[in-house]
Amino acid sequence: EAGVTQFPSHSVIEKGQTVTLRCDPISGHDNLYWYRRVMGKEIKFLLHFVKESKQDESGMPNNRFLAERTGGTYSTLKVQPAELEDSGVYFCASSQGGSMTDTQYFGPGTRLTVL
Amino acid sequence: AQKVTQAQTEISVVEKEDVTLDCVYETRDTTYYLFWYKQPPSGELVFLIRRNSFDEQNEISGRYSWNFQKSTSSFNFTITASQVVDSAVYFCALSEANSGYSTLTFGKGTMLLVSP
Repeated sequence: EAGVTQFPSHSVIEKGQTVTLRCDPISGHDNLYWYRRVMGKEIKFLLHFVKESKQDESGMPNNRFLAERTGGTYSTLKVQPAELEDSGVYFCASSQGGSMTDTQYFGPGTRLTVL
Repeated sequence: AQKVTQAQTEISVVEKEDVTLDCVYETRDTTYYLFWYKQPPSGELVFLIRRNSFDEQNEISGRYSWNFQKSTSSFNFTITASQVVDSAVYFCALSEANSGYSTLTFGKGTMLLVSP
């Protein structure tokens, strides 16, 4: 069974540009999460989808970040316009259920560098 | 608010040494789950273990063992006879139930370097 995949693995952009990150969850997983790790800090929660609906987006930093999950399959996270402080590793995770008993399985992350 | 502290930023050991990675957590919830994830150089976060707050039994899986103590709010991870392949960043995490759904609160991670 394929794991969580993310694309691209690395992205280097200039401040002010737009970047779109993609996540493909494990097949059949209704719950999809985005997390971010800024250099040297904790991995922090951004938002949680249940199918195509945003269940919790309390961790989204600001309105420059837009996440979508049309059709309840893959998800995209767009940053527009990107700022220097957006640099970090963006992880996607998926789980079958969304409760605390459900293990979240993570992808390899996308390393975003904003110059 | 929930919090996870991994006080050790980096640990260096020589192969075959035992090493313990510390994890201390804070939560007001009486029901919660604790996790350990491994991030090897390839980058993905690999799930290692999940433990619920009502089960304080220690767990052993091969060279890996986990010691959960509610009295000290700790969930420490020990690698016995470490190997070079154990080199990675290890994250401890706590699950938070929010309106029936869960998000993870992570520590900053401990980088483990095992040299031959």
